[in-house]
Amino acid sequence: DAMVIQNPRYQVTQFGKPVTLSCSQTLNHNVMYWYQQKSSQAPKLLFHYYDKDFNNEADTPDNFQSRRPNTSFCFLDIRSPGLGDAAMYLCATSRFPGSGNYEQYFGPGTRLTVT
Amino acid sequence: GEDVEQSLFLSVREGDSSVINCTYTDSSSTYLYWYKQEPGAGLQLLTYIFSNMDMKQDQRLTVLLNKKDKHLSLRIADTQTGDSAIYFCAETPQDGGSQGNLIFGKGTKLSVKP
Repeated sequence: DAMVIQNPRYQVTQFGKPVTLSCSQTLNHNVMYWYQQKSSQAPKLLFHYYDKDFNNEADTPDNFQSRRPNTSFCFLDIRSPGLGDAAMYLCATSRFPGSGNYEQYFGPGTRLTVT
Repeated sequence: GEDVEQSLFLSVREGDSSVINCTYTDSSSTYLYWYKQEPGAGLQLLTYIFSNMDMKQDQRLTVLLNKKDKHLSLRIADTQTGDSAIYFCAETPQDGGSQGNLIFGKGTKLSVKP
């Protein structure tokens, strides 16, 4: 089945220790997104790729970086995690249609704990 | 600015209908979406509606759109315990619409009592 996969599902890292979260998709979608979701809050878009074109949200901290080496994979790098970065990180994909309907398909998320 | 508002909690009895409401601010949004999130899981797209429609029905789900009031609702008929989850309303704002950036509400937690 076509899907969005995130690894690992749970990640524990130490304060200041770099961490990388991964996302892969078998949907062959052009666009990949990374969202941060804190407890009882709405998902907040960090950045997205349209093919190889990187788009950063204005309020995404510099501490967060992303890489998309090919269509299928996208990585979220947190260079120096702080306690405030503990959250669920959601990866999503969508096609780029002419209709303007961007149905997004989400992975199960990676829950990041910072100790 | 862009904002999507939802009530935070809704509690219903099994078999009743649930109505989850949402208001949004960007009148240029062409598509509006409802997502479901079960505990510890990602978001699942339930349904969407195009802005030139007033209503869309999909099995137990009915979406109503009042574009004049910027009000969107999701009705779940014959609510089951498996419908217990958080439901997010989302819009595609005009300035982010070129690549599908979604603005989500904070989510409505639906609790279904047997």
